[in-house]
Amino acid sequence: AQSVTQLGSHVSVSEGALVLLRCNYSSSVPPYLFWYVQYPNQGLQLLLKYTSAATLVKGINGFEAEFKKSETSFHLTKPSAHMSDAAEYFCAVILFSGGYNKLIFGAGTRLAVHP
Amino acid sequence: NAGVTQTPKFQVLKTGQSMTLQCAQDMNHNSMYWYRQDPGMGLRLIYYSASEGTTDKGEVPNGYNVSRLNKREFSLRLESAAPSQTSVYFCASGAISGGYNEQFFGPGTRLTVL
Repeated sequence: AQSVTQLGSHVSVSEGALVLLRCNYSSSVPPYLFWYVQYPNQGLQLLLKYTSAATLVKGINGFEAEFKKSETSFHLTKPSAHMSDAAEYFCAVILFSGGYNKLIFGAGTRLAVHP
Repeated sequence: NAGVTQTPKFQVLKTGQSMTLQCAQDMNHNSMYWYRQDPGMGLRLIYYSASEGTTDKGEVPNGYNVSRLNKREFSLRLESAAPSQTSVYFCASGAISGGYNEQFFGPGTRLTVL
């Protein structure tokens, strides 16, 4: 069965520092993987997605993620954090079931950015 | 396009009361979903509708019912609210893209059950 684990429920970085949010997946089939961002009091917005094409995926707002099959990881990075990046980030994997597919979410990582 | 809209934005209920959360999408998507979000647990699927006229249970369906009223609208009903149903509820709609459903989320409904 497909699942994702996000390491670290809270991450704090300084403005300008590297952002690294960790996600490991479990899947019996080649996975489709996603990162979503949720700003305070808002819904989820898709940051980027991996769908078995290029292993390095670039998303919005300068974020990118690299699919590493050997490590079963899909970590999210950004070279230089901005104050506006403060939000909660969710990793998700597609679960294929009965000819239909559903998203399975990780528990989320709250990113704080301080001056 | 408004995308996915949800009403109400906030609601406070007493235990045992009933209410319906409304969701509508204007993107002509076939599939729609209801999730609940609780601290430390991410989003969990309550019910989904693959197409107009069909609904199926997700991971946490107990205490909820849904109606796919038409292609645009998918409502979630709590018949007898319980404090354990205090949560943030998100509706999403999905479009097939490259063999999977890419989902678009509404702004959420924050429900408190006293």
